[in-house]
Amino acid sequence: GESVGLHLPTLSVQEGDNSIINCAYSNSASDYFIWYKQESGKGPQFIIDIRSNMDKRQGQRVTVLLNKTVKHLSLQIAATQPGDSAVYFCAEFSNDYKLSFGAGTTVTVRA
Amino acid sequence: NAGVTQTPKFRVLKTGQSMTLLCAQDMNHEYMYWYRQDPGMGLRLIHYSVGEGTTAKGEVPDGYNVSRLKKQNFLLGLESAAPSQTSVYFCASSYVSDGQPQHFGDGTRLSIL
Repeated sequence: GESVGLHLPTLSVQEGDNSIINCAYSNSASDYFIWYKQESGKGPQFIIDIRSNMDKRQGQRVTVLLNKTVKHLSLQIAATQPGDSAVYFCAEFSNDYKLSFGAGTTVTVRA
Repeated sequence: NAGVTQTPKFRVLKTGQSMTLLCAQDMNHEYMYWYRQDPGMGLRLIHYSVGEGTTAKGEVPDGYNVSRLKKQNFLLGLESAAPSQTSVYFCASSYVSDGQPQHFGDGTRLSIL
């Protein structure tokens, strides 16, 4: 079946560097994507979203890029901080009220 | 403003016991969802509701039942708990189904012995 997946399960980044988290999706009909951050013992927290009619969207220290040609989504975090350590999920909205989640990338920030 | 609140936060059950997980949201959202999260996996949808009095099956509905008697509450029931239902359960809600993110509670960690 179609699914959303992340390229790497873990990412280690030096504090102050930029982080890039990648996600591949296979449902070409999807038109809405979300990035969530999940800290230990907490529920997923909304970071940023993007519609398929956009290629890029920026938030505070975060940027999401969408490449529909290769069905690829990425989350860029600028000047990564210790508080950015978490599991990051991309989610894809299908047309039946369901969000499909990838398995997640665990980001560890090194001091 | 509490957002999405789940109770209880932790529970240990014996195989065959029953229990109900409660989810409450104070955002006047129409849509509510129950997910389970297992190690190394993303969230999988169990059941969802598009409004008061309505429920529908998600990706992994077997062994669970739900009810949405009030708009702000969404209950998840396990009639006869099995070890395979050991998981972390998350409730979420959203104003609309598409184009708006879902807001999650902090989860219920359930262990079935």
